[in-house]
Amino acid sequence: GAVVSQHPSWVICKSGTSVKIECRSLDFQATTMFWYRQFPKQSLMLMATSNEGSKATYEQGVEKDKFLINHASLTLSTLTVTSAHPEDSSFYICSASSLLWTGGNQPQHFGDGTRLSIL
Amino acid sequence: DQQVKQNSPSLSVQEGRISILNCDYTNSMFDYFLWYKKYPAEGPTFLISISSIKDKNEDGRFTVFLNKSAKHLSLHIVPSQPGDSAVYFCAASANTGNQFYFGTGTSLTVIP
Repeated sequence: GAVVSQHPSWVICKSGTSVKIECRSLDFQATTMFWYRQFPKQSLMLMATSNEGSKATYEQGVEKDKFLINHASLTLSTLTVTSAHPEDSSFYICSASSLLWTGGNQPQHFGDGTRLSIL
Repeated sequence: DQQVKQNSPSLSVQEGRISILNCDYTNSMFDYFLWYKKYPAEGPTFLISISSIKDKNEDGRFTVFLNKSAKHLSLHIVPSQPGDSAVYFCAASANTGNQFYFGTGTSLTVIP
């Protein structure tokens, strides 16, 4: 259980293009979804936290107008990188958890990530 | 400021031996800790967790130890297998909104 699907797994596009990444929870209702960015040989850096039906909470230094996050349903969150530039090239990973889970602390479950390459 | 630290970027272990991966944290409010395993170009996979009310949690070949006074946790893998070769991240949460803080990862190589 607790499967998270992320799509696409790899996207290459020209500078100035906007790119949408989808994150879906396949077998549970994700009340909270997280978006991370990982640079080579570095840790996962949290970009934003989104609760279903609410505006995302962005971490310091993350441009909310650049990285648009929508979490309109309990099974889908999207990250749109607007007017992407080469410096936006990175590995983006989503994770999901649910406040509906019982039994105390629960781990986040991750998608497989999206490798974004901007030419 | 890195609240969760993994000071060893890499570790090599012979197959069959024990792998010990270490993690330190600075925030005394952290009360839930996890280890994730990550292969290249894939998302992290949850491995094992431990709550601050325990000092040890075991699941098959994987055991996590927590030393709250030292703000230190470790993951033991025994016996190590070549398929265990991956990057291992530790993560911590203060259970105040289920945000997790991740270490920088340790790349484990198990040599056949």
